[in-house]
Amino acid sequence: ETGVTQTPRHLVMGMTNKKSLKCEQHLGHNAMYWYKQSAKKPLELMFVYSLEERVENNSVPSRFSPECPNSSHLFLHLHTLQPEDSALYLCASSQDVPDTQYFGPGTRLTVL
Amino acid sequence: SQKIEQNSEALNIQEGKTATLTCNYTNYSPAYLQWYRQDPGRGPVFLLLIRENEKEKRKERLKVTFDTTLKQSLFHITASQPADSATYLCARNTGGFKTIFGAGTRLFVKA
Repeated sequence: ETGVTQTPRHLVMGMTNKKSLKCEQHLGHNAMYWYKQSAKKPLELMFVYSLEERVENNSVPSRFSPECPNSSHLFLHLHTLQPEDSALYLCASSQDVPDTQYFGPGTRLTVL
Repeated sequence: SQKIEQNSEALNIQEGKTATLTCNYTNYSPAYLQWYRQDPGRGPVFLLLIRENEKEKRKERLKVTFDTTLKQSLFHITASQPADSATYLCARNTGGFKTIFGAGTRLFVKA
């Protein structure tokens, strides 16, 4: 897990709050990803960044806003979320896109 | 659209036996398939990648096959151990920037 780190590991927020998820990769990779994983559902790709440029935006609601300031860091800014947004949010990185992905431990998000 | 289908039912086996998990895909064969392991509340961990032109790939007690005629990959764990209990995900590239994952098969190995 030291290759890709995510903070916080757990987050509880109200529907009117604004919060951010942080991801950092220490693998020297060029691509980073955000996924949503709901119970008993496949991983849902949200965003893909390659060399700090967003290359995939998988029809994600605007209440989720990604930011990739450099190839090692990725943020997911959250605002006015809905209870159905409660899930495990996973960050991943890879050397290229597409390629084998290395995942962080995830942030367990609960929206009240 | 391209899909990855894995048996959603949990697989229960006895320690020491071989576990076999199935991954079926639709449409054209991907250049490669990947298998990941995921423990509860944790991120997936990459296990093996098998390319379209490879029939079989091995790593320690793990073996993966790729059958482009059946559009299927099989994942085997030989001499299974309770520590192998986890959810195993199959994944394929869609030809662009996306990789799609199956919902996973939960494996329980009983001592």
